[in-house]
Amino acid sequence: KAGVTQTPRYLIKTRGQQVTLSCSPISGHRSVSWYQQTPGQGLQFLFEYFSETQRNKGNFPGRFSGRQFSNSRSEMNVSTLELGDSALYLCASSLLGQGSGANVLTFGAGSRLTVL
Amino acid sequence: AQSVSQHNHHVILSEAASLELGCNYSYGGTVNLFWYVQYPGQHLQLLLKYFSGDPLVKGIKGFEAEFIKSKFSFNLRKPSVQWSDTAEYFCAVSRGVTGGGNKLTFGTGTQLKVEL
Repeated sequence: KAGVTQTPRYLIKTRGQQVTLSCSPISGHRSVSWYQQTPGQGLQFLFEYFSETQRNKGNFPGRFSGRQFSNSRSEMNVSTLELGDSALYLCASSLLGQGSGANVLTFGAGSRLTVL
Repeated sequence: AQSVSQHNHHVILSEAASLELGCNYSYGGTVNLFWYVQYPGQHLQLLLKYFSGDPLVKGIKGFEAEFIKSKFSFNLRKPSVQWSDTAEYFCAVSRGVTGGGNKLTFGTGTQLKVEL
């Protein structure tokens, strides 16, 4: 079955602009999580959505936001881009959700954002 | 807040050498533990996981890891590495009970290079 699909794969933006990234989870997966990967900070958790509700959020400013649709597809948005937002943004989906710790994440290939 | 430490940032080995990558975490409650691998140009893939039960877990490609609760460790091992094991390896932890969800805390990663 198809894996986690992220679009776009690459994009270049300038400071001050905003960006929207999309993630389609594996069919049947209801939980979608987002991570930021940078050489300096490594992999950092952004947020997690389950059944269209954000149920976990990492330590990122309010410029970072997300949402999940009824078909489990998710988008994340970064407004007022800064140079430091340049990163690989990873989406991951999992089958299990609320109340369960036994989840396994399947990651997408990521969207590489460059902010100039 | 939980944290994950990977002590080896860069490891260089010759083919057939044995591998052990260290991982320690700082959360005192029940945890789920993971090792993910990122091959050059590819996305993060699950190598192995521990949820409960036998503390020695086996994963793909001959990798195994041992959970030692008293040491808060989850070290990754492979008896004989191959050139194709060249990749970056990430240890990750999530809370093992309700509330942890899919929020993974990752270590900084270990870049493994296997030389022929």
